[in-house]
Amino acid sequence: AQTVTQSQPEMSVQEAETVTLSCTYDTSESDYYLFWYKQPPSRQMILVIRQEAYKQQNATENRFSVNFQKAAKSFSLKISDSQLGDAAMYFCAYRSRDYKLSFGAGTTVTVRA
Amino acid sequence: DTGVSQDPRHKITKRGQNVTFRCDPISEHNRLYWYRQTLGQGPEFLTYFQNEAQLEKSRLLSDRFSAERPKGSFSTLEIQRTEQGDSAMYLCASSFASVNNEQFFGPGTRLTVL
Repeated sequence: AQTVTQSQPEMSVQEAETVTLSCTYDTSESDYYLFWYKQPPSRQMILVIRQEAYKQQNATENRFSVNFQKAAKSFSLKISDSQLGDAAMYFCAYRSRDYKLSFGAGTTVTVRA
Repeated sequence: DTGVSQDPRHKITKRGQNVTFRCDPISEHNRLYWYRQTLGQGPEFLTYFQNEAQLEKSRLLSDRFSAERPKGSFSTLEIQRTEQGDSAMYLCASSFASVNNEQFFGPGTRLTVL
């Protein structure tokens, strides 16, 4: 079974600044997908960004970007120009061909005004 | 149809009672997934369906848990003889059955077992 590790339970960032969330995973597969999901308090989980393992180029979505290091099995998320609405729990997730998502324990992001 | 819906949103029950949760996926999606999320943790996969076929159920936590998707549309998750350890958020997600599918999550059903 794949394991996903998020070593930062909490991160705090000043509004307009940048924060980076860490994620590592363990797998023996070569073909897989990685995701970052955002779960605001009492609201449903939404997809922030995805990365296909066969792509060398790091994914970006507006203020969100990833640093995918396949050999190191590392997948960090950078949030630039942080906004108050970015405050949430962020989950790193792994998916292989069997379509099941394996999630990390999450990182709570607090944005200071 | 604007997304995945789940009913009820909250359920409080006494230990030993049976509970059933419903999930209505996005209408075009043929895959449906159930996850469980305990406080402060990431979701944990339970089972999933493609149309009405349950493709994996080995992760269901015990034989007290069962899921159905009788006509390939909505799904139900039943927990029999609930225990306090069953208290959690139960999430449903749906997707297309393609390699590049994204799973869209519902708001969840929060179960509290007293």
